[in-house]
Amino acid sequence: KAGVTQTPRYLIKTRGQQVTLSCSPISGHRSVSWYQQTPGQGLQFLFEYFSETQRNKGNFPGRFSGRQFSNSRSEMNVSTLELGDSALYLCASRTVDSTDTQYFGPGTRLTVL
Amino acid sequence: ILNVEQSPQSLHVQEGDSTNFTCSFPSSNFYALHWYRWETAKSPEALFVMTLNGDEKKKGRISATLNTKEGYSYLYIKGSQPEDSATYLCALCPYNTDKLIFGTGTRLQVFP
Repeated sequence: KAGVTQTPRYLIKTRGQQVTLSCSPISGHRSVSWYQQTPGQGLQFLFEYFSETQRNKGNFPGRFSGRQFSNSRSEMNVSTLELGDSALYLCASRTVDSTDTQYFGPGTRLTVL
Repeated sequence: ILNVEQSPQSLHVQEGDSTNFTCSFPSSNFYALHWYRWETAKSPEALFVMTLNGDEKKKGRISATLNTKEGYSYLYIKGSQPEDSATYLCALCPYNTDKLIFGTGTRLQVFP
């Protein structure tokens, strides 16, 4: 079974631009979560989508948004990029709920100049 | 907001040493506790999902225990090997939400 894939793996943007990151979950997994990792911080939860609906949301500004398609693939969008948005963005998929094992993708490294 | 703490922040051991680290949390109101292992330049890898007080799980040389009444989980590595070098993360899912809250991890380095 193929693992969680994320594209692109690396991205360089400038302040004020917007960016879209993509995540393809493991086949059969309906839940996709997004996390941000910055230096010195743990993994911070952004949001979770389940069956095309946002099920949970973390404490991030409205510039961070996401969506999920009918095939469970998910995209995350960040508008009006700031320097502080430079981070590793990870997505993870699981079958249904929090007692299920969550599988992570390799991440997208975003650098904002 | 549930605060998940891990200790120590980092650990350096010799090959063959056994080691353990702690994940602490203030409340037993959660669905599950997860342990992950994260090697540099790789994806975090799930080790265990624990749900019940007294749970003990084992995978090769790695094992974990959960004590929800006293608010901690231990991860043990028996006979550490250089390939065990990684950051070990724990995460909780509180009852009032279905999201995972991660600790900042314990960075383990095993020297040959």
